[in-house]
Formats: sequence, structure tokens, C-alpha cells
Amino acid sequence: GAVVSQHPSRVICKSGTSVKIECRSLDFQATTMFWYRQFPKQSLMLMATSNEGSKATYEQGVEKDKFLINHASLTLSTLTVTSAHPEDSSFYICSARRQGVIGNQPQHFGDGTRLSIL
Amino acid sequence: AQSVTQLDSHVSVSEGTPVLLRCNYSSSYSPSLFWYVQHPNKGLQLLLKYTSAATLVKGINGFEAEFKKSETSFHLTKPSAHMSDAAEYFCVVSDDRDDKIIFGKGTRLHILP
Repeated sequence: GAVVSQHPSRVICKSGTSVKIECRSLDFQATTMFWYRQFPKQSLMLMATSNEGSKATYEQGVEKDKFLINHASLTLSTLTVTSAHPEDSSFYICSARRQGVIGNQPQHFGDGTRLSIL
Repeated sequence: AQSVTQLDSHVSVSEGTPVLLRCNYSSSYSPSLFWYVQHPNKGLQLLLKYTSAATLVKGINGFEAEFKKSETSFHLTKPSAHMSDAAEYFCVVSDDRDDKIIFGKGTRLHILP
């Protein structure tokens, strides 16, 4: 079953609205989670690394004031798209990695959020 | 520095015939390699992973991949394609030093009836 839950799966809203997306690790604690953006027919682009109890680390070119990340607990990270505009429309995906005892554990991905800004 | 190259952006095979999706990687350290599948408007599902154990890795849904260090390859195969295999496939590399992973650009697999 799913080990990372992402909600909501789809959002349609007017321009200027702020939208919050939640990412939860269901059966493990994740000190680090990742947020990706995926454009149509393209691969995933890492936006930021969400760190529990500290500030997120943003990739170059990603506006931190536009994409607010909060990682307040070991099982929850949120991405808020502030004052969203049509160009923010995209598919957003989160992931988390179970802290493995042995070897490199895979990232587990949420089901994604389709954001459509009218 | 790490990188991943998926050599084909699209692959089409007939149902019941073998599937080969190619992936080459570059890594300064011993890498961990993964294949993920993404169906439309869905997140990514792990198919299989290589983490320095057996070089031939078996995954879900009949897929397998072989790690070949000499060729820096990690190609994904399946003996007999099924219509439900039509999806986007991503080859991913990471190393133990970092939580970050590097995605290939993806290969769209089309299954012809």
C-alpha cells in the first residue's frame, strides 16, 4: 500500500488564490521530504528539500516566497503556492525516504497534485 | 557528479513481445539505481532497485533490470509486454551520501495491440 500520502489530488482555483498541498509519510518518520514539479511530458524537476524543524532548501530558480514549505512534524510537509497564477499550473509531487538501516532506500512518492489555476 | 541518460524518449512494442528500456548512468561513487513507473496523472511507483547486492534485480509486474558496471548501464526488461504496461518509465540514480536523486528524462512505453 501507499507509504506516502499526498492531498489533494486535484485543485482548480482562481488566479490569486493560495493553495496548500500536504504530504504525509504514513508508516515511517521522514526528516527530509522532497517537492517536485512536473511539466507535461517531462521528467520531475526538484523544487526544494523540506527539512523537519528547519528551513527548506530551494533549488536554483525556485522562488521561496512563492512556494512556501513547512515541515512541522516528522510525518508531514506542506507546500503552499501563494497567490497562484496560471503559470503555476502544473503537477506537483512529493517524496520521502525511509531512513534505511542498510543501504540506500528508495524514495516513495505521493500520487501527485494536479493544480490548475484559472 | 551523477547523471542518468535514458536513451529512448519513446518505445513501442506489440503486446506479448519483449520490452527493453535503456538507461545509462554516471556516478563518482557506488550508485544505487532505481526504476519507477508513472501512469497518467499519478505519482511514481517503484518497480525495482539495485543497491550493490545482486546485479540482476527482479521487480514487480515481471520487470527486471541488470546492473552492468563495465557498461554503466541499468536497462529495464520484461519478457512479454502487457497493455497495462503502457506508461512513463524513469531511471533514477542516487548515492549513499545524499538524499537527492537524479532522474532520467523518462521513456514513454507504448503497447500495440
